[in-house]
Amino acid sequence: AQRVTQPEKLLSVFKGAPVELKCNYSYSGSPELFWYVQYSRQRLQLLLRHISRESIKGFTADLNKGETSFHLKKPFAQEEDSAMYYCALSGGGANNLFFGTGTRLTVIP
Amino acid sequence: NAGVMQNPRHLVRRRGQEARLRCSPMKGHSHVYWYRQLPEEGLKFMVYLQKENIIDESGMPKERFSAEFPKEGPSILRIQQVVRGDSAAYFCASSAGVAETQYFGPGTRLLVL
Repeated sequence: AQRVTQPEKLLSVFKGAPVELKCNYSYSGSPELFWYVQYSRQRLQLLLRHISRESIKGFTADLNKGETSFHLKKPFAQEEDSAMYYCALSGGGANNLFFGTGTRLTVIP
Repeated sequence: NAGVMQNPRHLVRRRGQEARLRCSPMKGHSHVYWYRQLPEEGLKFMVYLQKENIIDESGMPKERFSAEFPKEGPSILRIQQVVRGDSAAYFCASSAGVAETQYFGPGTRLLVL
């Protein structure tokens, strides 16, 4: 069965410090992994997906199949990064997404 | 492009009433997904529809819940005889095709009294 685990409900970092939001997954096949972000009073939006291997707003995430992880990283956090971050998975040709419970990131000025 | 629209944004119902949630996908999108978010939990997939067809309803509760996406008009998620446990945020997403990026609406927050 699919499972996405985000172990940290809350994460606070100082502005300019590195940030890492953890995501571990469980899936028997080859999953596709995503990070979605929800800023205050805005709708959920896609931040990045592993197949595109992009860096969006300074964030990167590498799929580690050995550790079944897809951690989100940014070397220097900005105040505008404060938001709710959700890791999600889809797989097996299915279109539905399985979400983790989310991590609320607060960047302290 | 106004993005995915959902209405109402907030809905209050008493136990036993019916709730109807509407979702208008982005222009050009024919794939619609419904998710439910209970308090302190992540979004959970409910149903995936294309125009006039239910493709995957593996996440839908077996009773009281139904969904449709007619040829004309928005997708509707219908909850009959609501109970307090149905109180949640219901999100709709749409995509242009299979395995394409899903774009989310603002959600409908249902409160059952």
